[in-house]
Amino acid sequence: DAGVTQSPTHLIKTRGQQVTLRCSPKSGHDTVSWYQQALGQGPQFIFQYYEEEERQRGNFPDRFSGHQFPNYSSELNVNALLLGDSALYLCASSLWWAETSPLHFGNGTRLTVT
Amino acid sequence: DAKTTQPTSMDCAEGRAANLPCNHSTISGNEYVYWYRQIHSQGPQYIIHGLKNNETNEMASLIITEDRKSSTLILPHATLRDTAVYYCIVKGVNRDDKIIFGKGTRLHILP
Repeated sequence: DAGVTQSPTHLIKTRGQQVTLRCSPKSGHDTVSWYQQALGQGPQFIFQYYEEEERQRGNFPDRFSGHQFPNYSSELNVNALLLGDSALYLCASSLWWAETSPLHFGNGTRLTVT
Repeated sequence: DAKTTQPTSMDCAEGRAANLPCNHSTISGNEYVYWYRQIHSQGPQYIIHGLKNNETNEMASLIITEDRKSSTLILPHATLRDTAVYYCIVKGVNRDDKIIFGKGTRLHILP
């Protein structure tokens, strides 16, 4: 049973560039959430996707956008990268219709902006 | 903002029970208590959740006080592999309720 997989595991970008991170949810899950985790902090919610639509959004600027595909996989895009965007980006999947369904996380993509 | 309060760090001897406290004095009637942990360089791992009854699974036990204002996660026989940051989270059952992480408790298991 495949868990949540994320790619790439590490990425180095320059300020002003754009980046795309990818996530495949756990088998059977239909909802994907993205989190940003700065060093020494807890994960911060970015947004959640279900049925290819953004359902909820945290306090992140429009530079952060996403997409969900018909196979439930998802992408996180960040434009005009800032040094402060350096963080671990976590993808989590769950079941939309199971209200208490826990999140299952991948091991993240470590993004470094120089 | 996180709705829970946890100690910043705790130590526990290997083989002993690790008891991690969490205060959630403003918890609402439809909010569940969730526990996750994050081992270094990995994503958070779901441990257990409960509403008002005590819960147990293969990883841990969750004890929720009768007034639901606090809870304790118990790892019955801690091992070195249990060294991690443990997050206590309260979340409602509405679909716009999100898992909001605080800073968690850094648990050190001592050999």
